[in-house]
Amino acid sequence: GAGVSQTPSNKVTEKGKYVELRCDPISGHTALYWYRQSLGQGPEFLIYFQGTGAADDSGLPNDRFFAVRPEGSVSTLKIQRTERGDSAVYLCASSLTGALSPLHFGNGTRLTVT
Amino acid sequence: RKEVEQDPGPFNVPEGATVAFNCTYSNSASQSFFWYRQDCRKEPKLLMSVYSSGNEDGRFTAQLNRASQYISLLIRDSKLSDSATYLCVVNPGKSNTGKLIFGQGTTLQVKP
Repeated sequence: GAGVSQTPSNKVTEKGKYVELRCDPISGHTALYWYRQSLGQGPEFLIYFQGTGAADDSGLPNDRFFAVRPEGSVSTLKIQRTERGDSAVYLCASSLTGALSPLHFGNGTRLTVT
Repeated sequence: RKEVEQDPGPFNVPEGATVAFNCTYSNSASQSFFWYRQDCRKEPKLLMSVYSSGNEDGRFTAQLNRASQYISLLIRDSKLSDSATYLCVVNPGKSNTGKLIFGQGTTLQVKP
């Protein structure tokens, strides 16, 4: 079946611009996670959804970052006033129920802020 | 102190060697533990869960020491295809839902 899909796969933007990153989880998966990963580091937790609600957004670095999942399926990560330090691979993962179910990751969106 | 810490390596070992990775976690209330594998420029994939009594999957053995708050992964008879980054993952919450925290990853390079 279809896995987790993330679009775009690559995004280059100028400092100060707004970007949206999209994640289509596996159908039926209630839990959805956003992580970001810099070179040589493990994935850094950003936010976790259970259904439509953000169950834990403690990893969002500041108020420039926001994520939504309005219908409990597709999620969008939004970054305002991008900075060069936001450059990273943004990974989305979904799981059937939550932390006890395996996370299925998408291929990620590589964001470059110039 | 980071919530999940790993020795980044790299670990360079010959084929057939046995290699072990350790990982420590800071939150004693953590409930569930996993090892994920990540190939270069690919997404992480679940390798195995870690159970309190220890568990084995073929050449891979995972162990949990709650008293010392560390998790280990042992790989026996290393293959070239085992070359990857191994990520220690912890659910720090008291419930079995919620965020999963990843370690930095330990890089393994298996040489012919």
